[in-house]
Amino acid sequence: EAQVTQNPRYLITVTGKKLTVTCSQNMNHEYMSWYRQDPGLGLRQIYYSMNVEATDKGDVPEGYKVSRKEKRNFPLILESPSPNQTSLYFCASFSSRTGDYGYTFGSGTRLTVV
Amino acid sequence: KQEVTQIPAALSVPEGENLVLNCSFTDSAIYNLQWFRQDPGKGLTSLLLIQSSQREQTSGRLNASLDKSSGRSTLYIAASQPGDSATYLCAVTDFNKFYFGSGTKLNVKP
Repeated sequence: EAQVTQNPRYLITVTGKKLTVTCSQNMNHEYMSWYRQDPGLGLRQIYYSMNVEATDKGDVPEGYKVSRKEKRNFPLILESPSPNQTSLYFCASFSSRTGDYGYTFGSGTRLTVV
Repeated sequence: KQEVTQIPAALSVPEGENLVLNCSFTDSAIYNLQWFRQDPGKGLTSLLLIQSSQREQTSGRLNASLDKSSGRSTLYIAASQPGDSATYLCAVTDFNKFYFGSGTKLNVKP
């Protein structure tokens, strides 16, 4: 089944403890992106990647890092999480090869930083 | 910067009613527009995607239209059902980035 897989689904951590949220897609998509979703603020893009070793900042990149060493994986790294990073996070991917640029989303990771 | 607005923010209708959700965007230079459904605490499910060269797309009881020149899209839901209750989001892309509206929260009452 074509899908975007995020792990973990739920995570509670303490301020300052480094964490990684993994994202993997099995559709050979070039483009991958991370979003956070907060009440009243909608979906905001954190980082995106056009292909392997090509990443760029979205609208809210502060406090986050990403890497794209393989086409299928796009982990989101929080080096020193803070409570204002408590949010619902989504990974998404699409392919320009299909011509429609339609997005496929993961199921989300709910992160709580205490 | 592209801005996407969805009206209304919330909508409550009785079962069986036909309804229209609206999406507007400020920059007409888009590659496509996509409508999503999101259930509480869940991920986004793609409903319809309209290429920039298209005017509308249909899937079952759903019909989405796109008017690029005026920066508008509508999602029409026919014969609404309680199972349609969810938040509906529209997103436009200029290839590099996707821009989302804040969504319309729909409640269909039995």
